[in-house]
Amino acid sequence: DAGVIQSPRHEVTEMGQEVTLRCKPISGHNSLFWYRQTMMRGLELLIYFNNNVPIDDSGMPEDRFSAKMPNASFSTLKIQPSEPRDSAVYFCASRQGLTNTEAFFGQGTRLTVV
Amino acid sequence: AQTVTQSQPEMSVQEAETVTLSCTYDTSENNYYLFWYKQPPSRQMILVIRQEAYKQQNATENRFSVNFQKAAKSFSLKISDSQLGDTAMYFCAFMKRVGAQKLVFGQGTRLTINP
Repeated sequence: DAGVIQSPRHEVTEMGQEVTLRCKPISGHNSLFWYRQTMMRGLELLIYFNNNVPIDDSGMPEDRFSAKMPNASFSTLKIQPSEPRDSAVYFCASRQGLTNTEAFFGQGTRLTVV
Repeated sequence: AQTVTQSQPEMSVQEAETVTLSCTYDTSENNYYLFWYKQPPSRQMILVIRQEAYKQQNATENRFSVNFQKAAKSFSLKISDSQLGDTAMYFCAFMKRVGAQKLVFGQGTRLTINP
């Protein structure tokens, strides 16, 4: 398997624009996580899905952020409108089942909002 | 809520030396997992080692070992015979065994191995 695949690797956008980050989890994994990494706040969990259903979205900063998982092989994280303080690295991770503890991370998307 | 604290923002050692990274956590849970993840400059998060709280024996993976002190809520990582490729950010993480199984990370320790 190619691992967790995120796209794009880098994104530069202007303030106010819509940004969509994409993630393809490892085949067979039924838990998916979106994390944000910044120097100030470290790694924060934004939302996680189990069997395509959002389980905990308490980390989503505000209504400008939304995440979807329409099927087991695809998830999106959308920011609309984007702001400079959203600049960060966004990671997607997936895990198989509830007893398998290892989460596999994608290589992240570095988002810069200017 | 669980919190994870890494009190060493940066560390630096010479190649082949042994280095210990500290991690403490706070939880009211009795069953949980603890992890150390490595993040090299490539940004990829890589699992280094995992400890199950109900196991008293400290986990070991080649040059990497942990000192797990459940009562003290301490979980340090020891890297023996350090190598240049060990240079990375290291994150300590906590996950409940039952219920919401999400990883809670510490702030990280930047480790530099000098030649």
